Amino acid sequence: QKEVEQDPGPLSVPEGAIVSLNCTYSNSAFQYFMWYRQYSRKGPELLMYTYSSGNKEDGRFTAQVDKSSKYISLFIRDSQPSDSATYLCAMPRDDKIIFGKGTRLHILP
Amino acid sequence: DTEVTQTPKHLVMGMTNKKSLKCEQHMGHRAMYWYKQKAKKPPELMFVYSYEKLSINESVPSRFSPECPNSSLLNLHLHALQPEDSALYLCASSQAMTAETQYFGPGTRLLVL
Repeated sequence: QKEVEQDPGPLSVPEGAIVSLNCTYSNSAFQYFMWYRQYSRKGPELLMYTYSSGNKEDGRFTAQVDKSSKYISLFIRDSQPSDSATYLCAMPRDDKIIFGKGTRLHILP
Repeated sequence: DTEVTQTPKHLVMGMTNKKSLKCEQHMGHRAMYWYKQKAKKPPELMFVYSYEKLSINESVPSRFSPECPNSSLLNLHLHALQPEDSALYLCASSQAMTAETQYFGPGTRLLVL
């Protein structure tokens, strides 16, 4: 079982819809969770990070962590075509970052 | 300012060439990283420098040679690369090696012919 699992997609949703992106993880030692957004041919950009279980909101983005289920989510409200990108979940372990495979998201105008 | 800069943006090189990739950050971060990313894959860690000393080498072939001249700069020297080395090379930095959050540069897209 991989440490971090993420569906690569692609995920296509209409503009204005709520998007749900998810990762599962197997290592209960993970305590810190990040979401990176990566546009095509660009470097990953840190979008959100959270330590704790529960929700963290930043504008149209909400990060949710359920440590009991080892499940994290990123919700995007009122999705825009400019949100089309690859979203990578990431968790630090032993001075490294373990990345999910990334989910490719397409927002259809 | 959370900016990491990388030059060049694009690089095409032959298998006998020697070239260097450069990375710079002015956030006072003491850990810097090189990653390699192939299309539709997550970044793969290559090297980590902590306080200008090489701390992690992920069994990268010797045709890749990292260098950290000072706390703000990180280079990756390339020599005798193979076509399969074509990829996006990303630099990242963090406050310390144990810090969780890394900030990435835009990457150098390398094509080896």
